[in-house]
This record gives sequence, C-alpha cells and structure tokens, in this order.
Amino acid sequence: DIQMTQSPSSLSASVGDRVTITCRAPQTISTYLNWYQQKPGRAPKLLIYAASNLHSGVPSRFSGSGSETDFTLIISNLQPEDFATYYCQRIYNTVSTFGQGTKVEIK
Amino acid sequence: QVQLVQSGTEIKKPGASVKVSCKASGYIFNGFYIHWVRQAPGQGLEWVGSINPNDGGTNIAQRFQARVSMTQAPSITTVYMEVSRLTIDDTAVFYCARVGNYYDTNGYLADAFDIWGQGTMIHVSS
Repeated sequence: DIQMTQSPSSLSASVGDRVTITCRAPQTISTYLNWYQQKPGRAPKLLIYAASNLHSGVPSRFSGSGSETDFTLIISNLQPEDFATYYCQRIYNTVSTFGQGTKVEIK
Repeated sequence: QVQLVQSGTEIKKPGASVKVSCKASGYIFNGFYIHWVRQAPGQGLEWVGSINPNDGGTNIAQRFQARVSMTQAPSITTVYMEVSRLTIDDTAVFYCARVGNYYDTNGYLADAFDIWGQGTMIHVSS
C-alpha cells in the first residue's frame, strides 16, 4: 500500500493567516489526491478532489495544488471555523490511503 | 437528500464479533461504491475496505482481511461490515463513505468520499 506523508502534524495559526499543509506520496499518483476536513466528533468532509478541484459548497479560501508526488492544501485568510484536522487521501481503483492528518490550532 | 445512516454504538467483549450497518438513501444504491474507515480515539483515519453494491465484490485492506467482511442488501439499500475476533485495539469509530465520481478540470474522472455516515462507535472492553 502507498503511504501518504503529511506535514506538519500540527500547527498554530491566527485568524486571517495563510496556512499551508503538504502531502507527499512515495511514488507518482498523478492527481489522485483528495483533501478532507474533520472537526472533533464529526465525520470528515470533502474539500478538494483530484488535487485541485474545489468540492461544491467549499469556500474559495481553500485551494489545492500539485501532481505526481507532491501536493499542497492552502487555506488563505483562516477563519474561526477552519480550526480542525485536515487529511489527504489517495484513492485509486477501489483502494484508499490517508495521510496521518494535520491539526490546525488557534495560536 | 443523499445520506448514509449508520447503526448505533456497540459495546463488545474481546473475542466477540460486531456487525455495523450503513443505510443509503437519496441516490441510486448500486451506482456508487461504499468504503469503510476506522478512527481510533485521538488517532487518524484508517482505510478498512470497500464494497461494490452492484455485485458485492469487496477489497479489504491486508491488515483487516482475516477479520473483516463486507456484505450488502440491495433490497434495503444497506451495506454491512462485520469485524470478528475483536480486541481492545478495535475500540474506534467506524465510518462508511460513498465514493462520488467527479470530472476534474482536465475532463478526467476522479473518485472522492463525498458522503459520509455519522459514524458508529465500537467499544471493546472486558
């Protein structure tokens, strides 16, 4: 199985900050990479699919980029409701792997 | 309304089995794969496996293959995941999630977990 490596594992930021989270694959995965947000006690929510495509209803301050092995999730102008844990996910041919998560905390 | 509704909290003893249900509504049941994801307390998301509601075919992560089975009941638009030989380490929330198919900006079809169940807590304790 392909193991996805996310960094950092946690970060502290203030409202209005720009936050960058990275996800790395050990081998090329084209753009088969999604991003999710999870708040405590809740199911994850899809933010970005296919590396850079914003899911319906997701605010435009979220953006994704990358291909092959290196991917980035950017949250510009961080809002109070964005403090959560973020996961990258590789899914291909009915198999999936998640990154270990990045917790975004209030500074 | 497109949704997945899971069965409730279970409390089990080590060595027992548990069967969790995930009922789909608001969309064509056999048109979308369902995956299962495990999340231990304070930990990240771990992929367990997937089931094709069309034919019941499954793909289960290697570490769970010996203890996890997935089945479906199309007549009631429900999928099930059964975990046998439970241990303390199986204490976790299990989520079912639908795989939606989306076209990216290049016109390629991409998969993503677009609808999630609310989660089912499994407590394993002696």
